[in-house]
Amino acid sequence: GQNIDQPTEMTATEGAIVQINCTYQTSGFNGLFWYQQHAGEAPTFLSYNVLDGLEEKGRFSSFLSRSKGYSYLLLKELQMKDSASYLCAVRENQAGTALIFGKGTTLSVSS
Amino acid sequence: DGGITQSPKYLFRKEGQNVTLSCEQNLNHDAMYWYRQDPGQGLRLIYYSQIVNDFQKGDIAEGYSVSREKKESFPLTVTSAQKNPTAFYLCASKQGAEAFFGQGTRLTVV
Repeated sequence: GQNIDQPTEMTATEGAIVQINCTYQTSGFNGLFWYQQHAGEAPTFLSYNVLDGLEEKGRFSSFLSRSKGYSYLLLKELQMKDSASYLCAVRENQAGTALIFGKGTTLSVSS
Repeated sequence: DGGITQSPKYLFRKEGQNVTLSCEQNLNHDAMYWYRQDPGQGLRLIYYSQIVNDFQKGDIAEGYSVSREKKESFPLTVTSAQKNPTAFYLCASKQGAEAFFGQGTRLTVV
């Protein structure tokens, strides 16, 4: 079956570093995505990993290990505006098919 | 500007009524999707379409219907058969890796 697991909630302070983990079990794998979603708004794309390793994009980095079915999103130099839900999603096969989403991790950043 | 437009942003429906949610994109994307989001549930796939005049059921299609008569448009109808329709509905389109989302429609049954 399909299963994508993330922690439900995390808290951190401004300026800190936080790592949000995601584990997945899917029938196929053709890429893992991270999205950010502020309350009541649409998800916005953060990162995409299809090969093992680390992808860095500014303050955000994402890591993938396909053999372990594991990814993490690393947020550095946290800001208050980073308070949001972070959604992990897997694409099972190549073109056209939908993303399977985890339930999301709500991150609260305090001063 | 290119993007995905969902309308309306808020929608109220009486029990027993059908209601249609609009989704339009001018990104020239082939694939379009409808997701439902409930608190603590993440995004769940209702229907998707990979090309015009073709669509497939997702994980929670019961009580919903769609059409894809034009590439730009993928409306979702919530029928009276959907027993718990109050939710946040998100439309997305995709060409290649990244999916782009509309701003969502919050449907409330009163």
